[in-house]
Amino acid sequence: GAGVSQTPSNKVTEKGKYVELRCDPISGHTALYWYRQSLGQGPEFLIYFQGTGAADDSGLPNDRFFAVRPEGSVSTLKIQRTERGDSAVYLCASRLKAGAGNEQFFGPGTRLTVL
Amino acid sequence: GIQVEQSPPDLILQEGANSTLRCNFSDSVNNLQWFHQNPWGQLINLFYIPSGTKQNGRLSATTVATERYSLLYISSSQTTDSGVYFCAVGTQGGSEKLVFGKGTKLTVNP
Repeated sequence: GAGVSQTPSNKVTEKGKYVELRCDPISGHTALYWYRQSLGQGPEFLIYFQGTGAADDSGLPNDRFFAVRPEGSVSTLKIQRTERGDSAVYLCASRLKAGAGNEQFFGPGTRLTVL
Repeated sequence: GIQVEQSPPDLILQEGANSTLRCNFSDSVNNLQWFHQNPWGQLINLFYIPSGTKQNGRLSATTVATERYSLLYISSSQTTDSGVYFCAVGTQGGSEKLVFGKGTKLTVNP
């Protein structure tokens, strides 16, 4: 596809369970970002990948959150021992490369609900 | 870190009216993007505008980087313009992550 895709679109899980959220960036985009959006707020940064490496994970709220991008394309956000406060929309964005003149494009998001 | 403030928080218009949305930011930026989040949650890119003026149909935007603000103009509004408009900024170096404002919720009534 032409845009950023995310799966699943919705995920309902129980407190304490493990979840994985997938992001497929625009083909050829080297920079990939994860954000989290709570109700009534703007998205907040979680982690940034340049290629395969996590270049900035300063937005991850705690060590229950982890993300990988093993081949420099698809990324997976992993949340262990989910809590009700993790409920939010998780957004992925990609960018052709870092630097001026390169805008970020967002996927449709995964709505995570922790019961 | 950089702060982003958007105003007004809510705006209700009749179809056909014009509006101006404002975004103030607290530090120098090398990236500024305006997005429209539709009722299904999708963030749609409107403008990439760290400085200067751009126009796209009924929408236009101006960023005055030296005074740290950006304006989004919507003319002849339509019901499909309803949704939340976000301003997001990025600073040079590092991840160049976007920092978002809280958005302006626009409702256009027929």
